[in-house]
Amino acid sequence: AQSVTQPDIHITVSEGASLELRCNYSYGATPYLFWYVQSPGQGLQLLLKYFSGDTLVQGIKGFEAEFKRSQSSFNLRKPSVHWSDAAEYFCAGLLTGANNLFFGTGTRLTVIP
Amino acid sequence: GAGVSQTPSNKVTEKGKYVELRCDPISGHTALYWYRQSLGQGPEFLIYFQGTGAADDSGLPNDRFFAVRPEGSVSTLKIQRTERGDSAVYLCASSLNGASEAFFGQGTRLTVV
Repeated sequence: AQSVTQPDIHITVSEGASLELRCNYSYGATPYLFWYVQSPGQGLQLLLKYFSGDTLVQGIKGFEAEFKRSQSSFNLRKPSVHWSDAAEYFCAGLLTGANNLFFGTGTRLTVIP
Repeated sequence: GAGVSQTPSNKVTEKGKYVELRCDPISGHTALYWYRQSLGQGPEFLIYFQGTGAADDSGLPNDRFFAVRPEGSVSTLKIQRTERGDSAVYLCASSLNGASEAFFGQGTRLTVV
């Protein structure tokens, strides 16, 4: 069955520290992959996406993600976290030709001063 | 409007009642999606419209759930005989043609008491 797994439910980092959020996928074929951010009371906002090609993808707000086929992973990174990055982050996959995104359960990021 | 608009933002209803949730997509977007997000979970796909027709309704949990998009723009998600387990945030998203980035609304928080 197709799935996306985010093993970390909650992560706390200090402001200015680096960040890595993990995402693993399980599909019959390599899906398109996405990272979304959801702030309290806000809709989901797309941070970045991977369809094919360069495995290091740059997104908005200084985020990047690296696709690693050998590890079935698509981890999200940011070199220096800002307090405004505190939010819920969702990894999602989409099979070619499919209509719907499969979301992970999310990772809640807390940023401490 | 500039983004996907969902109304109401909050809805409290009694068990057994009928509710309608409205989604106004971005103008010109032919693809429209409904997702449901339960507490502590990622969004789960409900239904996908391409134009006026429901191209994929495989995510609707049972026949109490129904959605329409009669003119290919605004969509209404209808839930009959609501149950406490229907309590969740219902998210709507639209995209230009189903193959491009989906933009999400802020959701409707449904509480069944």
